Amino acid sequence: SQKIEQNSEALNIQEGKTATLTCNYTNYSPAYLQWYRQDPGRGPVFLLLIRENEKEKRKERLKVTFDTTLKQSLFHITASQPADSATYLCALQADRGSTLGRLYFGRGTQLTVWP
Amino acid sequence: DGGITQSPKYLFRKEGQNVTLSCEQNLNHDAMYWYRQDPGQGLRLIYYSQIVNDFQKGDIAEGYSVSREKKESFPLTVTSAQKNPTAFYLCASSINAGNGQPQHFGDGTRLSIL
Repeated sequence: SQKIEQNSEALNIQEGKTATLTCNYTNYSPAYLQWYRQDPGRGPVFLLLIRENEKEKRKERLKVTFDTTLKQSLFHITASQPADSATYLCALQADRGSTLGRLYFGRGTQLTVWP
Repeated sequence: DGGITQSPKYLFRKEGQNVTLSCEQNLNHDAMYWYRQDPGQGLRLIYYSQIVNDFQKGDIAEGYSVSREKKESFPLTVTSAQKNPTAFYLCASSINAGNGQPQHFGDGTRLSIL
């Protein structure tokens, strides 16, 4: 079965530093990888999507990489701010077959940015 | 504003009782999903619907039922057969079921047992 691992349940960094979150997967060949942000008591909010044939994607202070050989995605937040504190989820998706449309989520990494 | 509305925000169930969680979207999305989130376990898929009048079981469908009679509505019933229903339930939708579409989530319903 598919397995998705996100690095350490919690990550604490100082304001202004770059936060790097890791998503590793096994037994799966995703066509897409997505990252979401979730605040306590709220639903996840979509941040970025990267395709299997893309190496890197950027959006403002966010950057995602996707290495299908290593089966890994890295999610970077540069110049981090306390407002970036949240849980970040990675999710994998196929574009064919019986699992069409389904997202498989990791457990998330809780990021805390302290002043 | 377009979005997904889940109600109620908090729900309490008595032993042996069925309860229904509401999910409505005005995004004109074809696909809708129900997830369960437990502490430390991430999101697990209960049911999903790629189009009106069609739905498929996810990974943990036992003890749950759904219907998709209208495009904008995808209610989830937690039956008495679900022995551990206490969790945070999230509904989501996407434009369609494939092609890398992101999912839009509601703000969840927290279900507890009395």
